Amino acid sequence: SAVISQKPSRDICQRGTSLTIQCQVDSQVTMMFWYRQQPGQSLTLIATANQGSEATYESGFVIDKFPISRPNLTFSTLTVSNMSPEDSSIYLCSVEVPTRYNEQFFGPGTRLTVL
Amino acid sequence: EDKVVQSPLSLVVHEGDTVTLNCSYEVTNFRSLLWYKQEKKAPTFLFMLTSSGIEKKSGRLSSILDKKELFSILNITATQTGDSAVYLCAGGTSYGKLTFGQGTILTVHP
Repeated sequence: SAVISQKPSRDICQRGTSLTIQCQVDSQVTMMFWYRQQPGQSLTLIATANQGSEATYESGFVIDKFPISRPNLTFSTLTVSNMSPEDSSIYLCSVEVPTRYNEQFFGPGTRLTVL
Repeated sequence: EDKVVQSPLSLVVHEGDTVTLNCSYEVTNFRSLLWYKQEKKAPTFLFMLTSSGIEKKSGRLSSILDKKELFSILNITATQTGDSAVYLCAGGTSYGKLTFGQGTILTVHP
């Protein structure tokens, strides 16, 4: 398995501002993903972070709201832009274990509260 | 649109009981069915199933997949209070995407 860290672990932000969440993995991985978990809900995939190209977004999520960077095979960032209280969620990054397709390990998550 | 449905949504048992959690899926380009345990923030991996009828076991936990009926179950025997958590199943596609179910909240009382 991979060791994944996320920063910050939690934050409280004002509406209209933006927050960038970092995800660092201790080994090179091909596939990295960003999920959102709203209060009391399950995980919803926001996008697949592709190294060297634009992220692939799921239906309902757009690049202007959730820009993603993936500069190398161990690091990615997710920005939540122009935040509103509805963006209050836990944001999780995950990585797919190389050669074990679909088996994803999750970072510790970032708990975001927007006032 | 891919869909994963879990039942029951919540379950309350006493220590020592055996529980069965259910997961049905409709996933295009299906490759695997995964089970996770979520206690605080990050889900922790339990099982990945790709073949029908082959049971996977880890201690008191076991799981099996039925690809004909598009169904999986997770069994926990001799439950302990430490098993209290949200159990998530997810359908995985051939291009890496996971679609999660709503989760089953398991509460184990002493």
